[in-house]
Amino acid sequence: EAAVTQSPRNKVAVTGGKVTLSCNQTNNHNNMYWYRQDTGHGLRLIHYSYGAGSTEKGDIPDGYKASRPSQENFSLILELATPSQTSVYFCASGDQTDEQYFGPGTRLTVL
Amino acid sequence: QQNVQQSPESLIVPEGARTSLNCTFSDSASQYFWWYRQHSGKAPKALMSIFSNGEKEEGRFTIHLNKASLHFSLHIRDSQPSDSALYLCAVGASGGNYKPTFGKGTSLVVHP
Repeated sequence: EAAVTQSPRNKVAVTGGKVTLSCNQTNNHNNMYWYRQDTGHGLRLIHYSYGAGSTEKGDIPDGYKASRPSQENFSLILELATPSQTSVYFCASGDQTDEQYFGPGTRLTVL
Repeated sequence: QQNVQQSPESLIVPEGARTSLNCTFSDSASQYFWWYRQHSGKAPKALMSIFSNGEKEEGRFTIHLNKASLHFSLHIRDSQPSDSALYLCAVGASGGNYKPTFGKGTSLVVHP
């Protein structure tokens, strides 16, 4: 079974602060994705990557940066967190058109 | 940009019922169609996929795909309380960088 882990699992941040969400996968998948999930909006793609060193903008990239320093790790960075970024964030990995394997999620609250 | 819509938004059915969930998409070049299931407080997990027109059955679950109608569906036979979850459809196109688009989901409750 593919394994994707996320840290932290819960985070409370202050408005204007910097937040880094981390994701690790041990499946040697080339593709990794960051989504946020809000009631009524489903899963929305923030950033994605096709391999180490690459990042691409998803559908809602504003206010977020991403970093893929290695095959295993993919981070999501909120340089100046705002209350509108309060959400549940999921990381996923997969190989091209195969299924995506999701991490357990990070619940972020920005006060 | 791909537009994926799911219906209904929510559904309550009795145990043993046949349940149908729908997904429409806008990009006729779409080639990859997935259903994911997400139990409350958990991560989404892939349930089934279909890549060509027609029908595919796995146990109590069946997917129908009609590309000409830009529509695919998930049917659950003999629904169980354990099927209660959020069901998300995802659609992707081939070529270049692969990034599927998810619908907003259908919340299913199966009551005993």
